[in-house]
Amino acid sequence: EPEVTQTPSHQVTQMGQEVILRCVPISNHLYFYWYRQILGQKVEFLVSFYNNEISEKSEIFDDQFSVERPDGSNFTLKIRSTKLEDSAMYFCASSRDRGDGYTFGSGTRLTVV
Amino acid sequence: GEDVEQSLFLSVREGDSSVINCTYTDSSSTYLYWYKQEPGAGLQLLTYIFSNMDMKQDQRLTVLLNKKDKHLSLRIADTQTGDSAIYFCAESMDAGNMLTFGGGTRLMVKP
Repeated sequence: EPEVTQTPSHQVTQMGQEVILRCVPISNHLYFYWYRQILGQKVEFLVSFYNNEISEKSEIFDDQFSVERPDGSNFTLKIRSTKLEDSAMYFCASSRDRGDGYTFGSGTRLTVV
Repeated sequence: GEDVEQSLFLSVREGDSSVINCTYTDSSSTYLYWYKQEPGAGLQLLTYIFSNMDMKQDQRLTVLLNKKDKHLSLRIADTQTGDSAIYFCAESMDAGNMLTFGGGTRLMVKP
């Protein structure tokens, strides 16, 4: 069964550093998403991406965050200057059509020290 | 804003039925989803229901929707130890829109 692949599975970074979280969505999917889950809290929406542009973003997704689809396969989330409170599990997801229900990746655990 | 609530924990014996409940506040929720998360894994879509439906059955899974009370439930028949996981309820107002998740219900299945 096709999967959404996320790398790395765990990343530790120093506060103030830039990080890039990588995702390979399912190849024929058209809609891409990032969510995050801070330990002990709910899964929260960050951003959705379609047709090479952001279609929706939450209040969390401020100027520190950016997304990119640099080629036909990767979908990346960049955090420019990480803060301690950015420590969370970050999930990438994709869907073929609106309403299909997303396929999520296994997540990247980001730890900011 | 939208809110989705679930109980934190459910424990059942193997072979029994499990019922996981969820309530939501947004009456314009159109799509309601159930996801399963096993340790170290991502969120696996189990099933979803449109708001114009009352019930959906898929093998051992039955989803019931009470739109008037904004209550969603997931029933797992003949629960197995492999069903032990965290189950998340989620809603969205439109297909492809952001999902609002509940906090997850940890299901423990005792042999």
